[in-house]
Amino acid sequence: DQQVKQNSPSLSVQEGRISILNCDYTNSMFDYFLWYKKYPAEGPTFLISISSIKDKNEDGRFTVFLNKSAKHLSLHIVPSQPGDSAVYFCAASVDNYGQNFVFGPGTRLSVLP
Amino acid sequence: EAGVVQSPRYKIIEKKQPVAFWCNPISGHNTLYWYLQNLGQGPELLIRYENEEAVDDSQLPKDRFSAERLKGVDSTLKIQPAELGDSAVYLCASSPGQGASYEQYFGPGTRLTVT
Repeated sequence: DQQVKQNSPSLSVQEGRISILNCDYTNSMFDYFLWYKKYPAEGPTFLISISSIKDKNEDGRFTVFLNKSAKHLSLHIVPSQPGDSAVYFCAASVDNYGQNFVFGPGTRLSVLP
Repeated sequence: EAGVVQSPRYKIIEKKQPVAFWCNPISGHNTLYWYLQNLGQGPELLIRYENEEAVDDSQLPKDRFSAERLKGVDSTLKIQPAELGDSAVYLCASSPGQGASYEQYFGPGTRLTVT
């Protein structure tokens, strides 16, 4: 049973528009969440994180929203750029120091020029 | 600063053969992870080391998989014997350690194909 779900395997967005990637989780003990981006033939790279004590975290074009009651988080990319085309993984942790993360299956984002 | 280094990048072996993967984490990172990533899935933790101690190996199939991190730096993951279902990407990651950053830094992975 997947504890972290990303129900959209793929998403296509026009350059300059907003990309919204969604993530749902089942374990209410998760208290820290990360988003990773992965290009082909490379390892995942950290993008942005959010603690359960917050409902929003922003870093440049990237914003993560957390809705604890719905066990849902989303990543917004505004404006989307062709270089954002990659697979995005949502990850969640219950450890105090976030040492063990559970990853979702990923969403492939394609930003069309 | 050099990132996480993994070798080989690609490996093709026949089933029942042994295989080993090597990882050199970022200098000073105490925590090292080995993940398995199947096609279309996210990384799944196999084992986590704090320095040279394996603190979580609950997901490591110990009948055929083994790992070591001698001297708390480099690590090796071994499969013996390999099975067809072991075909996947094996990722190594490191992080500064408990009480520090949550962020894990991943290597490029080793793509294993078992024929």
